[in-house]
Amino acid sequence: DARVTQTPRHKVTEMGQEVTMRCQPILGHNTVFWYRQTMMQGLELLAYFRNRAPLDDSGMPKDRFSAEMPDATLATLKIQPSEPRDSAVYFCASGLPEIGANTEAFFGQGTRLTVV
Amino acid sequence: GQNIDQPTEMTATEGAIVQINCTYQTSGFNGLFWYQQHAGEAPTFLSYNVLDGLEEKGRFSSFLSRSKGYSYLLLKELQMKDSASYLCAGRGFKTIFGAGTRLFVKA
Repeated sequence: DARVTQTPRHKVTEMGQEVTMRCQPILGHNTVFWYRQTMMQGLELLAYFRNRAPLDDSGMPKDRFSAEMPDATLATLKIQPSEPRDSAVYFCASGLPEIGANTEAFFGQGTRLTVV
Repeated sequence: GQNIDQPTEMTATEGAIVQINCTYQTSGFNGLFWYQQHAGEAPTFLSYNVLDGLEEKGRFSSFLSRSKGYSYLLLKELQMKDSASYLCAGRGFKTIFGAGTRLFVKA
């Protein structure tokens, strides 16, 4: 049963604390996306990796957010320091490269982050 | 620039047909996706169009017009379980999602 796994599913933290969210993409997928979803903004792309290299992280506030792929089975998204406006659901998705193929993104269940 | 527009909410009756429209502007357009998202859950893939025309898959169909920057998702024989948000996503140099259309199916 291939699926994207995200941990933790829920996180409540105090403003100023560091938050690390983890994602295990589907085995064999070499594109990984981080999205943030709020009621106001909908689904926003934060970062996009292919073969572990960051291709686009223009949607991510660079001063506090960082995204990495230490290896092909793990992607991380860190927020330091966290702020209440970071409260959202963070989704990780993985897929295969594009070019003419139906390369849907498979989403994890998300991490619901609340910063108080 | 890149932009995806779709209606915020729609309501339809069980057993009816509903069409959810989407207009897009993406750099380097390379296909349009529709995803379904139930409240509190992750988006799941419904369809992908890269050529003009209608793609049918069971009760769901998706249409694309590249020249008009327009797509729609057609849901037939609506069921209560179809109540969800439907996200239009344009893939260009990166994939951009619309804010989603919340569909309410009433009995």
